[in-house]
Amino acid sequence: AAGVIQSPRHLIKEKRETATLKCYPIPRHDTVYWYQQGPGQDPQFLISFYEKMQSDKGSIPDRFSAQQFSDYHSELNMSSLELGDSALYFCASSLRTTGEGSNQPQHFGDGTRLSIL
Amino acid sequence: AQSVAQPEDQVNVAEGNPLTVKCTYSVSGNPYLFWYVQYPNRGLQFLLKYITGDNLVKGSYGFEAEFNKSQTSFHLKKPSALVSDSALYFCAVRGYSGNTPLVFGKGTRLSVIA
Repeated sequence: AAGVIQSPRHLIKEKRETATLKCYPIPRHDTVYWYQQGPGQDPQFLISFYEKMQSDKGSIPDRFSAQQFSDYHSELNMSSLELGDSALYFCASSLRTTGEGSNQPQHFGDGTRLSIL
Repeated sequence: AQSVAQPEDQVNVAEGNPLTVKCTYSVSGNPYLFWYVQYPNRGLQFLLKYITGDNLVKGSYGFEAEFNKSQTSFHLKKPSALVSDSALYFCAVRGYSGNTPLVFGKGTRLSVIA
């Protein structure tokens, strides 16, 4: 079965540079989430999109922005990179449910490992 | 605010023995609980979820979890551990409305020893 595709898998940047991470959700999934996982940490929610509109916002720095496109893929744009931005960035997708509750699990990609030198 | 706690950073178990990875939750309203597993350099893989219904939830790879409302717990279990189960396990909770994001516990590293 198709999974969430993230590119690139690895990215090395220097301080103050910019980076763009891409996410291609599972076909027919309409919601995309971005998470950041620092070394030895649990994933922290950054931002999510439903039908190309921002849905929820978490601990995303102002230096970061994201969007979801008409084909449902999403891009996370990161500027003025700092050493502390070194982390694993995950994208997840799900199918929005209606009615009772949020019972659809999120499916994760393998992540982009961003290293800031 | 919703949260989950995983009280153990590390769990060691011998191959063939039963395993338990603990998780407790704190939510307002009904909890929607999930377990994910993470292998090195990989994303999180969904194992199972509790939304409503039976307190014992069965998931992938022989894992199951028991929802206990009185103890606000959602412990992950497996009757017979495999060396290949060695990984990082995350408990997570999400809100009721729409597709709210997951809030993860700190994770528990499971080591299954042959």
